[in-house]
Amino acid sequence: NAGVTQTPKFRILKIGQSMTLQCAQDMNHNYMYWYRQDPGMGLKLIYYSVGAGITDKGEVPNGYNVSRSTTEDFPLRLELAAPSQTSVYFCASSNQGGETQYFGPGTRLLVL
Amino acid sequence: DAKTTQPNSMESNEEEPVHLPCNHSTISGTDYIHWYRQLPSQGPEYVIHGLTSNVNNRMASLAIAEDRKSSTLILHRATLRDAAVYYCISGANSKLTFGKGITLSVRP
Repeated sequence: NAGVTQTPKFRILKIGQSMTLQCAQDMNHNYMYWYRQDPGMGLKLIYYSVGAGITDKGEVPNGYNVSRSTTEDFPLRLELAAPSQTSVYFCASSNQGGETQYFGPGTRLLVL
Repeated sequence: DAKTTQPNSMESNEEEPVHLPCNHSTISGTDYIHWYRQLPSQGPEYVIHGLTSNVNNRMASLAIAEDRKSSTLILHRATLRDAAVYYCISGANSKLTFGKGITLSVRP
């Protein structure tokens, strides 16, 4: 099992550009999550999904969009990148809500 | 999710036990207590979780107070590889809230 994979590892964006952060898991987990972590801070939940076709907002959803067309994939879309979105983004999955979450290695995003 | 409170940092010597405290005074009866840790430049990883009874696994032990308002993560013999940020989280739903955690430094 590869677990949770994320691509790319690092990306530099210009203000106003758009991009999609990819996340995939091969554990057949129902729940998937996107977090962001700013320097020296804890993780903040952006969006989560309880299954294919179902997504819901977390604590900081503004400026992001998600979709969940399959159990395996949960991409995060940034439409108009802003410097405030400079952060490290982590994707995670769990079998059920409240159960152990398994995290990917993260995507470091720099918006200039 | 119930709010948790942890010290900002703690230091330990290598090969000595480490006790990392956490307060969760507003925890509800069905909330589990989860501990995750984050090594430098990596994503968080699960350490241990429990509800009422003390728990042991290969990584650590979790001691839960009888009133469940506090808990302690115990690393029995700290190694340099245990230097990380440790997050204590209480919750029963899918929205686990990761605070700043406690930064553990291990001295050789």
